[in-house]
Amino acid sequence: AQSVTQPDIHITVSEGASLELRCNYSYGATPYLFWYVQSPGQGLQLLLKYFSGDTLVQGIKGFEAEFKRSQSSFNLRKPSVHWSDAAEYFCAVAARYDKVIFGPGTSLSVIP
Amino acid sequence: EAGVVQSPRYKIIEKKQPVAFWCNPISGHNTLYWYLQNLGQGPELLIRYENEEAVDDSQLPKDRFSAERLKGVDSTLKIQPAELGDSAVYLCASSLNSAGNTQYFGPGTRLTVL
Repeated sequence: AQSVTQPDIHITVSEGASLELRCNYSYGATPYLFWYVQSPGQGLQLLLKYFSGDTLVQGIKGFEAEFKRSQSSFNLRKPSVHWSDAAEYFCAVAARYDKVIFGPGTSLSVIP
Repeated sequence: EAGVVQSPRYKIIEKKQPVAFWCNPISGHNTLYWYLQNLGQGPELLIRYENEEAVDDSQLPKDRFSAERLKGVDSTLKIQPAELGDSAVYLCASSLNSAGNTQYFGPGTRLTVL
């Protein structure tokens, strides 16, 4: 069955430090992969997505993610975190025309 | 361009009462989704519409939940009767179609059942 794992429930980083959020998936074929961000009381906003091609994907707000087929991973990175990045981050996987499956999320806190 | 609109934003009801949520998707989006999000978890799909047709409702508890999308635009999700365990955030999202297109989410309705 398809599944998404986000090993880190909560991460705290200092403002200006680099960030990496981990995501592992289980899927029968090469899936579509997504990262969404959710601020308190808000809906989810797409940061970036991978369908095919270059395995390093650039997104909004300075985020990037790298698809590694051999590790079934799609980790999210940002070189320098801003206080406004504090939010919940969700990794998701889907097949074309199929439903999106979301991971449990990683809560990010940023220390000024 | 307006995003996905949901109302109400918050709803508090007593158990066994009915409740309804409304969603207006982005104009031109054929696919509409209703998700359930429990505290500290990711969204879980309840139902997906392609225009007026419900193409995936396998996770919808049909004994108490119902949904409709008349004319392929707005949608309503209803719970009758509500149970304590239904307390959660109900998210609506829309996309051009379901071929891997980006889903745009509304702010959600936070339901509290007392």
